[in-house]
Amino acid sequence: QVHLVQSGPEVQKPGASVKVSCKASGYTFTNDAITWVRQAPGQGLEWLGWISPHNSKTNSAQNLHGRVTMTTDTSTGTAYVEVRSLTTDDTAIYYCARGGVLTGYESWGQGTLVTVSS
Amino acid sequence: QSALTQPPSASGSPGQSVTISCTGTSSDVGFYNYVSWYQQYPGKAPKLMIYEVSKRPSGVPDRFSGSKSGNTASLTVSGLQTEDEADYYCTSYAGSNNLVFGGGTKLTVL
Repeated sequence: QVHLVQSGPEVQKPGASVKVSCKASGYTFTNDAITWVRQAPGQGLEWLGWISPHNSKTNSAQNLHGRVTMTTDTSTGTAYVEVRSLTTDDTAIYYCARGGVLTGYESWGQGTLVTVSS
Repeated sequence: QSALTQPPSASGSPGQSVTISCTGTSSDVGFYNYVSWYQQYPGKAPKLMIYEVSKRPSGVPDRFSGSKSGNTASLTVSGLQTEDEADYYCTSYAGSNNLVFGGGTKLTVL
């Protein structure tokens, strides 16, 4: 059974960075991409980007202006997303999901609340 | 990429059918057959209901169906049940390894 378990809630100040983790189990980690999606309070879902654990190829949404970095650690089966230069607009629940841009996402992490506040 | 356009709300009575639209452009929905639909309850992660326009994952009731015509994809829920009340989001591949979401539709079962 596929499980994606994310790290706990974070509170950060504007201008800081945050790194959220997503530990995968129940499948071969390098076989599928990991996608990151976020949802601001009361808002819709926003695609952040994806990474292939197999070759570390990534692509991020253009509107993030290079503030997002996605990485993986194949030794532990864990994916990470780091968001830099945080603003209050980055306050959201961050989700990881198994799959790339063509596949639907059947498996999701439980979500990580990131709060940006001074 | 701009977000796909969904109606903010939709509603129907139990047993009725409701269709939610998802309008994109000839660069995303109109060009690729990689449209997915997700159901989301408050405080929960999204659940995949439809992928590749009209395919259903195992376990999704056949009351849920997807289709596409031109730049608009649609999700139809037949035989509405109270548990179908949720938010629904569409996504489409937009080329160059990019994905775009719709703004979401709140489905109310009256």
